[in-house]
Amino acid sequence: SQELEQSPQSLIVQEGKNLTINCTSSKTLYGLYWYKQKYGEGLIFLMMLQKGGEEKSHEKITAKLDEKKQQSSLHITASQPSHAGIYLCGADLRDDKIIFGKGTRLHILP
Amino acid sequence: ETGVTQTPRHLVMGMTNKKSLKCEQHLGHNAMYWYKQSAKKPLELMFVYNFKEQTENNSVPSRFSPECPNSSHLFLHLHTLQPEDSALYLCASSQDIRYDIWRPGTEAFFGQGTRLTVV
Repeated sequence: SQELEQSPQSLIVQEGKNLTINCTSSKTLYGLYWYKQKYGEGLIFLMMLQKGGEEKSHEKITAKLDEKKQQSSLHITASQPSHAGIYLCGADLRDDKIIFGKGTRLHILP
Repeated sequence: ETGVTQTPRHLVMGMTNKKSLKCEQHLGHNAMYWYKQSAKKPLELMFVYNFKEQTENNSVPSRFSPECPNSSHLFLHLHTLQPEDSALYLCASSQDIRYDIWRPGTEAFFGQGTRLTVV
């Protein structure tokens, strides 16, 4: 089974609406990275969360790591077409390897 | 401009061909990585180099051969590939390799990727 689950797998949102993407682990997250990927291109680093309860923002994107450090959520406020793409979370669950989720595909309708 | 440049952007090769992917980073980072991204699968770590030394080989078949001549350049040599090896190959670099301490500088910066098709 997938160790790092992202939900939803795909999301279609009207421009201007808010949305939330989740990244859930069955084990404690010792830290978590959020990346954005435009289709067929490289990943762009968004944020890194280290501490339980930590919250960071970048422009209209806010990410939080819950207190138990087993889930992170990424929230976009007043979505824009430029927010479209694939959002991936990456985390360490064992050893020194970073595991990535399968990603959430976000489409923004004008 | 991400600071990590990959060439070529697209590559089509036959199963008997030999080709190489190139990655160059202009960020002064010490660690470089190769990832494979296939459709509907999570991003897979293939190789890790830290200060030019390979520290990770994630059970990758020998038809993939990495080379890191210096901290700024990373190659992935390909030979006798299979159609299932078709994927987006991403190179990344980071200032440091994260061990048990999460800190700024351990986040990876990715190149644009090479879309590989094996026919």
